[in-house]
Amino acid sequence: GNSVTQMEGPVTLSEEAFLTINCTYTATGYPSLFWYVQYPGEGLQLLLKATKADDKGSNKGFEATYRKETTSFHLEKGSVQVSDSAVYFCALSESWGYQKVTFGTGTKLQVIP
Amino acid sequence: ETGVTQTPRHLVMGMTNKKSLKCEQHLGHNAMYWYKQSAKKPLELMFVYSLEERVENNSVPSRFSPECPNSSHLFLHLHTLQPEDSALYLCASSQEASGKVDTQYFGPGTRLTVL
Repeated sequence: GNSVTQMEGPVTLSEEAFLTINCTYTATGYPSLFWYVQYPGEGLQLLLKATKADDKGSNKGFEATYRKETTSFHLEKGSVQVSDSAVYFCALSESWGYQKVTFGTGTKLQVIP
Repeated sequence: ETGVTQTPRHLVMGMTNKKSLKCEQHLGHNAMYWYKQSAKKPLELMFVYSLEERVENNSVPSRFSPECPNSSHLFLHLHTLQPEDSALYLCASSQEASGKVDTQYFGPGTRLTVL
């Protein structure tokens, strides 16, 4: 079956530091890949996505590239802010007439001033 | 209201109570989902409704009973729950079209505590 593995947190960074959160996946087909973010007290929000190999998703300064050869979709941001503190979920999805999404366990990011 | 709303936001219930969680989506989507989010575990997909028909039921105990009366509303009926059912229950919706991958939109969740 499908699975998503992401680095365990929490990750603590100083403001303006570089962020990488690793994510690797196992899938039988050709999934789409996502990063979702969950701020305290809220549901998950889509951060970015990529639907095929070598696609790069980007949003709000975050980027991730769909690497089929290494089955990875690492999240990066050049300069984090305190407001980026949240839990980040890597996920993959295959379409079965509805979205069958497999999520990772989430990585908590804390950015300190 | 916009997006996906869930009520109540917090619920405390005893093991013999019966309660219901409500989800409403204002996005015109045709698929709705219930997830369970527990600490240090991946989100668990519980139920999926596509075009108001249940298409997935991931071996969820019968003490959880979903209902989808129309494409905008989704309920999760709860009865005789166990303490290990305490978690954040998230509702999501998406617009499905053949062969097209779409994004799921999540509500804020209901924090359930079973005493």
